[in-house]
Amino acid sequence: AQSVTQPDIHITVSEGASLELRCNYSYGATPYLFWYVQSPGQGLQLLLKYFSGDTLVQGIKGFEAEFKRSQSSFNLRKPSVHWSDAAEYFCAVRTRKLIFGTGTRLQVFP
Amino acid sequence: DAMVIQNPRYQVTQFGKPVTLSCSQTLNHNVMYWYQQKSSQAPKLLFHYYDKDFNNEADTPDNFQSRRPNTSFCFLDIRSPGLGDAAMYLCATSRETHTSYEQYFGPGTRLTVT
Repeated sequence: AQSVTQPDIHITVSEGASLELRCNYSYGATPYLFWYVQSPGQGLQLLLKYFSGDTLVQGIKGFEAEFKRSQSSFNLRKPSVHWSDAAEYFCAVRTRKLIFGTGTRLQVFP
Repeated sequence: DAMVIQNPRYQVTQFGKPVTLSCSQTLNHNVMYWYQQKSSQAPKLLFHYYDKDFNNEADTPDNFQSRRPNTSFCFLDIRSPGLGDAAMYLCATSRETHTSYEQYFGPGTRLTVT
């Protein structure tokens, strides 16, 4: 069955530090992969997507993600975190529908 | 700016009293979705409209219904809300093509059942 795993439920980083959020998927065909961010009490905002081509994709707000087929991973990265990046981050794979991971809550300390 | 709008942002209803949540979009997308999201959980798809075609998820309770009178609007009706239906309800849209599958979400409606 298709699934998405985000192993880290909660991550805390200092402002200015680098960030990597992990995402692993299980899907037999070529995956369409997404990262969304959700601030408290808000909807989901699309950060970036991977359909095909270059495995390193750039998104909004300085985020990037790298698709690694051999590892079934699509990890999200940012070189320097800002306090405003504190939010919930969801990885998702598109099959018949969007299948979301359980999310990673990012906390940023000044 | 093109966007997905949900009204109201906060809704309080009584146990068993029907409630309707509204979603509109200016993106002219052909697909509209309704998700339920409970605290600290991922969004759960309830159903979606592909143009006028309604697609219900197998595990969506009968208590939840939806209407899409035109391309721009979609409604979520909860016929007899229970305490377990308190959640954030998210509307999303997408333009389904062979190269485009991303969904765009509205800000959500927080439903409280008293």
